[in-house]
Amino acid sequence: EAQVTQNPRYLITVTGKKLTVTCSQNMNHEYMSWYRQDPGLGLRQIYYSMNVEVTDKGDVPEGYKVSRKEKRNFPLILESPSPNQTSLYFCASSLGGAGANVLTFGAGSRLTVL
Amino acid sequence: AQKITQTQPGMFVQEKEAVTLDCTYDTSDQSYGLFWYKQPSSGEMIFLIYQGSYDEQNATEGRYSLNFQKARKSANLVISASQLGDSAMYFCAMRGSYIPTFGRGTSLIVHP
Repeated sequence: EAQVTQNPRYLITVTGKKLTVTCSQNMNHEYMSWYRQDPGLGLRQIYYSMNVEVTDKGDVPEGYKVSRKEKRNFPLILESPSPNQTSLYFCASSLGGAGANVLTFGAGSRLTVL
Repeated sequence: AQKITQTQPGMFVQEKEAVTLDCTYDTSDQSYGLFWYKQPSSGEMIFLIYQGSYDEQNATEGRYSLNFQKARKSANLVISASQLGDSAMYFCAMRGSYIPTFGRGTSLIVHP
């Protein structure tokens, strides 16, 4: 089944404790991205990647890091999480980055930072 | 830059009736795509429908249709014959030469 898999689905952590949210897709998509969803704000892009070793900032990159060492994986790293990073996170991928490409989303990861 | 505006935070509709969810956009791109996604209470994002900026006909997918008015820069989602399972958040989005942009969403509640 074609899908985007992200883990963990739920995580409660404490301020400053580094964490990684993994994302993997099995569709050979070139484009991968991370979003955060906060009430009343919709989805905002954190980082995106057009291909292996090519990453770029989205609208809200502060406090996050990403890497794209393999085509299928695009982990999101929070080096020193803070309470304002409590949010619902989505990984999404598409065949390419142009306007006609439909984003396929993972199931979401709900992160709480205490 | 590009922007998506969804002016209806919440909408109510009676089961079996049609409902229109509004979406307006702004972009300097000539070529772009417009999308609608559904987010049920379980949280996943489900792709519903796509409209290309050069498509002359409005997109349709089953009970979903996209009322695309390019001159007005609007891309409204029409759901016909609403079902209880249509109760969810609905997001309008666009992609062009900029990063994908999402609206703030409209919460739709379908009453029996």
